Amino acid sequence: GAGVSQSPRYKVAKRGQDVALRCDPISGHVSLFWYQQALGQGPEFLTYFQNEAQLDKSGLPSDRFFAERPEGSVSTLKIQRTQQEDSAVYLCASSPNNYGYTFGSGTRLTVV
Amino acid sequence: SQQGEEDPQALSIQEGENATMNCSYKTSINNLQWYRQNSGRGLVHLILIRSNEREKHSGRLRVTLDTSKKSSSLLITASRAADTASYFCATPIAGKSTFGDGTTLTVKP
Repeated sequence: GAGVSQSPRYKVAKRGQDVALRCDPISGHVSLFWYQQALGQGPEFLTYFQNEAQLDKSGLPSDRFFAERPEGSVSTLKIQRTQQEDSAVYLCASSPNNYGYTFGSGTRLTVV
Repeated sequence: SQQGEEDPQALSIQEGENATMNCSYKTSINNLQWYRQNSGRGLVHLILIRSNEREKHSGRLRVTLDTSKKSSSLLITASRAADTASYFCATPIAGKSTFGDGTTLTVKP
């Protein structure tokens, strides 16, 4: 596609539920990034991939968060046993060379 | 703590005026990027300035970089209501970009 596609656009989860957020990057983009953005704040780095290799996961807030990109294209961010503090917008970005990201529109997660 | 910090946090101007926002960062960089985010949307890449550049232009945007002061500024000239958005600077460190909390710009028609 022409841009980075994220789904679902909105997700409401009950506390304790597992969720999976999907990112379709721009075809051919080697690097893929996940960010978490709380209301009124800038994006906070979660993790990034180069092809299928997860090179940095230092931003994942707990072991409830897991990301994968098994074939070096589509990526999934999974959050287990969601908690209210997980409520945020989750942004995915891809880049051909780390010199400028193309972001998706994000998934707004609300944990109730 | 954030690598990049934007200033001011909020800016309100009339259409046609110029808007200037600043970014300070902490460590040495190879390049600095500015992004725009409209409400409820993802970030859009505006411009990249490399560490060996002092000024760069793109349309109504002018970016400056002062590596000695570890700061950058973004100037939007002849602002329009459509420029209303949040603006972020980002500095790539070890392959990943770190963002500040942004400047929220409101342009009144």
